Amino acid sequence: NAGVMQNPRHLVRRRGQEARLRCSPMKGHSHVYWYRQLPEEGLKFMVYLQKENIIDESGMPKERFSAEFPKEGPSILRIQQVVRGDSAAYFCASSPGTDQPQHFGDGTRLSIL
Amino acid sequence: AQSVAQPEDQVNVAEGNPLTVKCTYSVSGNPYLFWYVQYPNRGLQFLLKYITGDNLVKGSYGFEAEFNKSQTSFHLKKPSALVSDSALYFCAVRTNDYKLSFGAGTTVTVRA
Repeated sequence: NAGVMQNPRHLVRRRGQEARLRCSPMKGHSHVYWYRQLPEEGLKFMVYLQKENIIDESGMPKERFSAEFPKEGPSILRIQQVVRGDSAAYFCASSPGTDQPQHFGDGTRLSIL
Repeated sequence: AQSVAQPEDQVNVAEGNPLTVKCTYSVSGNPYLFWYVQYPNRGLQFLLKYITGDNLVKGSYGFEAEFNKSQTSFHLKKPSALVSDSALYFCAVRTNDYKLSFGAGTTVTVRA
């Protein structure tokens, strides 16, 4: 039973490029959450999605960041026109319901040159 | 606002000794509390949770946590630490139906 799968594990982008981070939830999980971990800090909530719906994006920066969880395929976190401050580890988690523990992927470490 | 605090950045113990990682919480209403562990370059692994019931919660890998309402604490404990327990530990509180708010983390080093 595969866990939460994130790819790529490492992503390097130059300033101004786009970054796409993918997350496939655990089988049977329809709730997806994205968190960001800045160096020397804990994880910060970004967005919560269910299939084809954004439920809560209160933790997402207002510009350049977007997320989706289509009917088919993985959830995507998209960062347009990346800047140095976007360098972080981005973690995806999933759960079968909101009352169940969230299970995390191994993250995507984004580096901006 | 619902939040947790981990007062210690680092905890160092010798293998075989008891391990305690501290966490205090600030919530309105009943707290839903969690402990996660993160190994280098990996995601967070769920250890245990407290929702209601017994104040002593048992989790994975021999860890347990004690919920103390009067002290608003939820300390993680292990009676006998292993070198392989060396990792980064996060306490978290569920702030609404789904959102987790994490502490800053505590780095545990267990020396042989």
